Amino acid sequence: KAGVTQTPRYLIKTRGQQVTLSCSPISGHRSVSWYQQTPGQGLQFLFEYFSETQRNKGNFPGRFSGRQFSNSRSEMNVSTLELGDSALYLCASSFIGEETQYFGPGTRLLVL
Amino acid sequence: AQSVTQLGSHVSVSEGALVLLRCNYSSSVPPYLFWYVQYPNQGLQLLLKYTSAATLVKGINGFEAEFKKSETSFHLTKPSAHMSDAAEYFCAATSGGSNYKLTFGKGTLLTVNP
Repeated sequence: KAGVTQTPRYLIKTRGQQVTLSCSPISGHRSVSWYQQTPGQGLQFLFEYFSETQRNKGNFPGRFSGRQFSNSRSEMNVSTLELGDSALYLCASSFIGEETQYFGPGTRLLVL
Repeated sequence: AQSVTQLGSHVSVSEGALVLLRCNYSSSVPPYLFWYVQYPNQGLQLLLKYTSAATLVKGINGFEAEFKKSETSFHLTKPSAHMSDAAEYFCAATSGGSNYKLTFGKGTLLTVNP
């Protein structure tokens, strides 16, 4: 069974731009969560989607948004990029009823 | 609110020595607990998980962890370190139910010396 895939793997953007990251969960997994990883703040929860609905949200500004499609694929968007948004963005998927989350390889975003 | 504390941001061991990475959690109810490993430029790989079925949990690559409710701990051990174990290790917790938010510790970087 294929794992969680994320595209693109690397991105370079400039301040003020927006970016969209994509995540395809493991087949059969319907919950998708997003995390931001930085050296200073560590791993922080962004949001979680199930059946195209956001069920949980972390403490991030409204510039960070996401959505989930009917095939469970998910995208996250960051508008008006700031230098501090440079991070590794990790997507994880879960089978409903199971607490374990399986992570993708991440998208490394560099904001210049 | 749940919190996870990993004691020691950096642990260095010799090849063949015991590996002990410490994790303590703070929760009003026993959470679901996980250890993940991250190799450079990669995502997180699940090592093992505690979901209340057994207090001693065995994972991949020879790692195991013991859940101790009285100490609110979930320390990760491996009897004999291998060079390939060098990576960053994260302890994480979730309360379960419909809450799919994982709370992570700050991570422990393990180096293995030849």
